[in-house]
Order: sequence, then structure tokens, then C-alpha cells
Amino acid sequence: DAKTTQPPSMDCAEGRAANLPCNHSTISGNEYVYWYRQIHSQGPQYIIHGLKNNETNEMASLIITEDRKSSTLILPHATLRDTAVYYCIVRVGSGGSNYKLTFGKGTLLTVNP
Amino acid sequence: EAGVAQSPRYKIIEKRQSVAFWCNPISGHATLYWYQQILGQGPKLLIQFQNNGVVDDSQLPKDRFSAERLKGVDSTLKIQPAKLEDSAVYLCASRFPPTDTQYFGPGTRLTVL
Repeated sequence: DAKTTQPPSMDCAEGRAANLPCNHSTISGNEYVYWYRQIHSQGPQYIIHGLKNNETNEMASLIITEDRKSSTLILPHATLRDTAVYYCIVRVGSGGSNYKLTFGKGTLLTVNP
Repeated sequence: EAGVAQSPRYKIIEKRQSVAFWCNPISGHATLYWYQQILGQGPKLLIQFQNNGVVDDSQLPKDRFSAERLKGVDSTLKIQPAKLEDSAVYLCASRFPPTDTQYFGPGTRLTVL
């Protein structure tokens, strides 16, 4: 699986958009970008994933650059409940029996009132 | 639908004692994972089951850790004997193949004194 680089921490004002960057310069053509987040004292929670097209769901948007070497997770209107560690993970999205995730240290996003 | 259940939520033991954690995955999820999360780090995969068979236990310290998933539903993770460095949160996750999303339980926080 390709290595990812994320800033260790970021701040965001409540109600503003939070833009979390992730670098994955060694990503392969068949590798997906996944985002999970972990709120304090809870297990990680799936947010979104994508291959090369931009994706949007009820939680967030994922913007992947054309060369696929970096991506940005966007929380359009951050709330205090979005304060969490956000993990960017790159891997083959096979869904097969050997499918697993490798977590880094992630980015601690703090949403301030 | 009910989420992944884990118990106990907290456990304090002394070194060299034994401890067991229990996980009940989401109904119908054939794949089950156990992760160890040390403070300040991302979760690290210990073992992965597909139904009641082990798919990957390459990072499980087999001299002291064991896990089983009898009947392919519930799972237990055991540590015997515990060491100070085993203090961590133990997370269980499940997945419904061929989908990629992993669903995590709340974790068990283990403190070894």
C-alpha cells in the first residue's frame, strides 16, 4: 500500500469549511484513497473513499488531484462534533478476503467555537 | 442496525495476569478484525478472520496473544501473560465482503500496572 503524509494537526472555526490534505505521491493506478475519522474514545468511522473522480456524500467531499498524488477531504460546515483524528489511507479496494487497512497517525482536527 | 459490540469497555490488570476481550460483529459480517491502538498512534492490525478462519495474524505476538472466532460470529482476544507495553485500546471491526467499509466497535481500554 502507498504511504500517505498528513499534517499532525489543524484548526478550523465552527461553521467554516475544513480542508484536510493528504499526500500520496507513490499511489498506484488501482489504489483507492480512503478517509476514516476517530472521535475521542470511539472507534474509527468510515467517511468516504474514491479512485480518481471527486466524491461527495452526506458527510464530506473528497477531491483527488488529476495526477492522484494528493487529495483533500472537505467538511463543508464544520461543527464541534467534527473534532477528531482524521486518517487518510491508500490501498487496493478489492473487497476480497485479504482486505485490510493500515493506519498512520492521522491529522487531529480541532473545531473551535 | 446494531453496531459492533465489545466488552468490557475498560479493564485494569497487573502485569503477568491474563485478560480476555469479547467482540460481537454486525450480523452477517463475515470478516472480523482485531486492532491494537497505543496512545497517540493509529490502530495496528493484530489479526483478521474470514468466517472462523484466520486470514492474517502476521502482527499478532503469538507467544502471549491468542484469538478465536468459533462458529464464525463472536470473537475473543486473549493476552496471557500481560506486559506493561500491552496497555492500549483494543478495537474490533467487521466488514461485509465484498464491500470495503469496516465498522468499528467502541474498543476496550486495557491498563496493565
